[in-house]
Amino acid sequence: AQSVTQLDSQVPVFEEAPVELRCNYSSSVSVYLFWYVQYPNQGLQLLLKYLSGSTLVESINGFEAEFNKSQTSFHLRKPSVHISDTAEYFCAVSPLSGGYNKLIFGAGTRLAVHP
Amino acid sequence: DGGITQSPKYLFRKEGQNVTLSCEQNLNHDAMYWYRQDPGQGLRLIYYSQIVNDFQKGDIAEGYSVSREKKESFPLTVTSAQKNPTAFYLCASSIPTAKYQPQHFGDGTRLSIL
Repeated sequence: AQSVTQLDSQVPVFEEAPVELRCNYSSSVSVYLFWYVQYPNQGLQLLLKYLSGSTLVESINGFEAEFNKSQTSFHLRKPSVHISDTAEYFCAVSPLSGGYNKLIFGAGTRLAVHP
Repeated sequence: DGGITQSPKYLFRKEGQNVTLSCEQNLNHDAMYWYRQDPGQGLRLIYYSQIVNDFQKGDIAEGYSVSREKKESFPLTVTSAQKNPTAFYLCASSIPTAKYQPQHFGDGTRLSIL
């Protein structure tokens, strides 16, 4: 079985400051890792994913996440946030084995960017 | 543009009443999913379907039912047996056998009890 823990339920930050949203997972099998973003009253959008290869993955809007196998973490970072980054962020894992495209989500971290 | 359409955006249910949430996709995806989202709990899987005329229970299927008669459509019925139906419901779809392909989500339906 897999589980995902997002260590902060809310993260307040000032505009142009750096931010890190923490994600740890537990799994007995290898997994793919994802970050999704949800704006108010909308569905989830894929932000970035780790499948294999370089442990550092980047999104088109300046976010990056680093896969750390020894610490079973996949923390999300941005060096300088904007007001428009205010949203809820979900970390998710998908086991490589198993019969279908299963996603296990963390509880989410609400990022609030203040001017 | 391809995508997933959920309707209605807001839905109200009276006690003892069944309601059906619509989910339609034109992405030509074989697999479809229903999730329930509650504050502070992330998303939990209700049902999923990998192919037409077949579906499986997820982690919290009690009080819900689904059908998959067409590839494009995966409606969810919230029955009167679901004692706490107030939540945000999200539908998703994906290519079923490619785990590296992410699930695509609709914009959700918010269900409330009158």
